[in-house]
Amino acid sequence: GQQVMQIPQYQHVQEGEDFTTYCNSSTTLSNIQWYKQRPGGHPVFLIQLVKSGEVKKQKRLTFQFGEAKKNSSLHITATQTTDVGTYFCAGRGAGNNRKLIWGLGTSLAVNP
Amino acid sequence: NAGVTQTPKFRVLKTGQSMTLLCAQDMNHEYMYWYRQDPGMGLRLIHYSVGEGTTAKGEVPDGYNVSRLKKQNFLLGLESAAPSQTSVYFCASSYTGFHQPQHFGDGTRLSIL
Repeated sequence: GQQVMQIPQYQHVQEGEDFTTYCNSSTTLSNIQWYKQRPGGHPVFLIQLVKSGEVKKQKRLTFQFGEAKKNSSLHITATQTTDVGTYFCAGRGAGNNRKLIWGLGTSLAVNP
Repeated sequence: NAGVTQTPKFRVLKTGQSMTLLCAQDMNHEYMYWYRQDPGMGLRLIHYSVGEGTTAKGEVPDGYNVSRLKKQNFLLGLESAAPSQTSVYFCASSYTGFHQPQHFGDGTRLSIL
């Protein structure tokens, strides 16, 4: 079945360093969503990408959707302690597969 | 607006007991979802609903039942709780489909002894 792989599983960085998490699908996606979950909290929607090659920015966060719509990335510039949490991607299959397929998430720890 | 509200926030059950988790949303969303989250397993969809009076199975439906009698409420039932159902349960909703952002509740932390 359709899978969404997310790497790395864990990442430790020093505050101020950059961070990137990658999301790869076995099949073409119609769109992809990114969520952030703070420790002890619930997932919170960050952004949705729909178009091939799309790039969106939110302050220090840059989101990309691959040309083939099978991969995506989230890049954080100059991490801060407030960036700590788990970042999930969730892709919606194309065609008849309507449901979101969730990645397992990347847990980010930031050392001050 | 409260968004998505889950009740209760914490619960401890004994094996074999039953219980119902309540999810309520005030955003007039059509779609509602129940997930479980276990360490290293991400979010797994248990059941979902595409509108009032409808329910459908997700990827891990065994041992759970759901009902959506009112548009704003989505109930998750455990008929005979098992230790393997110890988890954090999240309810979510989206406006009209899977392609739209999901809004999550704060979660229910359930332990089954």
